[in-house]
Amino acid sequence: DSGVTQTPKHLITATGQRVTLRCSPRSGDLSVYWYQQSLDQGLQFLIQYYNGEERAKGNILERFSAQQFPDLHSELNLSSLELGDSALYFCASSSRPSLAADTQYFGPGTRLTVL
Amino acid sequence: AQKVTQAQTEISVVEKEDVTLDCVYETRDTTYYLFWYKQPPSGELVFLIRRNSFDEQNEISGRYSWNFQKSTSSFNFTITASQVVDSAVYFCALSELYNNNDMRFGAGTRLTVKP
Repeated sequence: DSGVTQTPKHLITATGQRVTLRCSPRSGDLSVYWYQQSLDQGLQFLIQYYNGEERAKGNILERFSAQQFPDLHSELNLSSLELGDSALYFCASSSRPSLAADTQYFGPGTRLTVL
Repeated sequence: AQKVTQAQTEISVVEKEDVTLDCVYETRDTTYYLFWYKQPPSGELVFLIRRNSFDEQNEISGRYSWNFQKSTSSFNFTITASQVVDSAVYFCALSELYNNNDMRFGAGTRLTVKP
């Protein structure tokens, strides 16, 4: 158990809908990262927050957004969902703002299925 | 741009065999970090190792060992005396110091260890 929690575990929805994925980092960690794992694209970095502020952005679509709250949990919002958004979404946390001197620990993931 | 190549899509071995998973990377930065993660059938990503570009010492942890060679831009992972529990998908990843924590993953190698 990495200490990172993600809810829900599974999510099934329809095209055009909007969903919110939730992540609670390990106790004491200030950084939260979001990743998408799909058959087509593999594992892709989406976005990072550190202590409430956006720190880094990867291949995140404009239809997706994220935020980190004062209690450090984070939410990833996916809107106008398409079939291709079906994937496993991982959250990871680390204590520092940079991976240069830190290790990130992954949550169990949320499996999103768009029908 | 940073890139990670894991040329072996799938490897199958019999228990107690040694197996090496290859990882070749591309980067223009002189400071970067290499990682290996394990994704067992349960789906979570488990951190195995982080290595920075200035440390070319090989590392051994139990049955696992890593060979980092800057001259060939490779960071290979060897499992000695493989066990069925080693069956998983293994990902190599690269993060450049000045690329805002955008971690790039290889496509992964699926290792199956048969009894």
